[in-house]
Amino acid sequence: EVHLVESGGGLVQPGGSLRLSCAASGFTFSSYWMSWVRQAPGKGLEWVASIKQDGSEKDDVDSVKGRFTISRDNAKNSVYLQMNSLRVEDTAVYYCARTGGPGWSKLYNWFAPWGQGTLVTVSS
Amino acid sequence: IVLTQSPGTLSLSPGERATLSCRASQSVSSSYLAWYQQKPGQAPRLLIYGASTRATGISDRFSGSGSGTDFTLTISRLEPEDFAVYYCQQYGTSLTFGGGTKVEI
Repeated sequence: EVHLVESGGGLVQPGGSLRLSCAASGFTFSSYWMSWVRQAPGKGLEWVASIKQDGSEKDDVDSVKGRFTISRDNAKNSVYLQMNSLRVEDTAVYYCARTGGPGWSKLYNWFAPWGQGTLVTVSS
Repeated sequence: IVLTQSPGTLSLSPGERATLSCRASQSVSSSYLAWYQQKPGQAPRLLIYGASTRATGISDRFSGSGSGTDFTLTISRLEPEDFAVYYCQQYGTSLTFGGGTKVEI
């Protein structure tokens, strides 16, 4: 069974940093793009970032450019989101999601499955 | 691409048919349109991708249609477990989600 487990969320002050992790199991991790999607409290979904199977290609939403960095370690079946210069508006549940199908080259795709999410709260 | 979902809330009874709309501000290339279901306190679940292809394990009560700028998710006969929030997502030009439609009893 495919499993994605996020960790690393918590309370941080504006301007601070956090590193989210997502541990994957139940599938060939190195064959899939991986992504982070977030959801502010009571709001809709927003794509944050995606990374290619070998880490050679990545993209992120304009609102996090220069502040967030997505990375992966295929030996550890894990994907990460380094979040710097955090803002109050970054407060959200952050979901890790497998992206598209195995071996696909397309940057943008659908997400399935999703992890249970980790809450990031940016507040003073 | 901006996705506009309507209605914002759909009030129906079990057994009824639900029709949810997703309209794009410009054409979605190659029908790269997906639908998700989200229940309170849970992560979203993929229902439909490629505008009309059901994801693995999804009931045939769910069907997707449309192309270009107008897409529809239809739930043929609502079951109690179908009452949730539904989101559309386009992945043809970058990645954007619609604002969601809540299907309530």
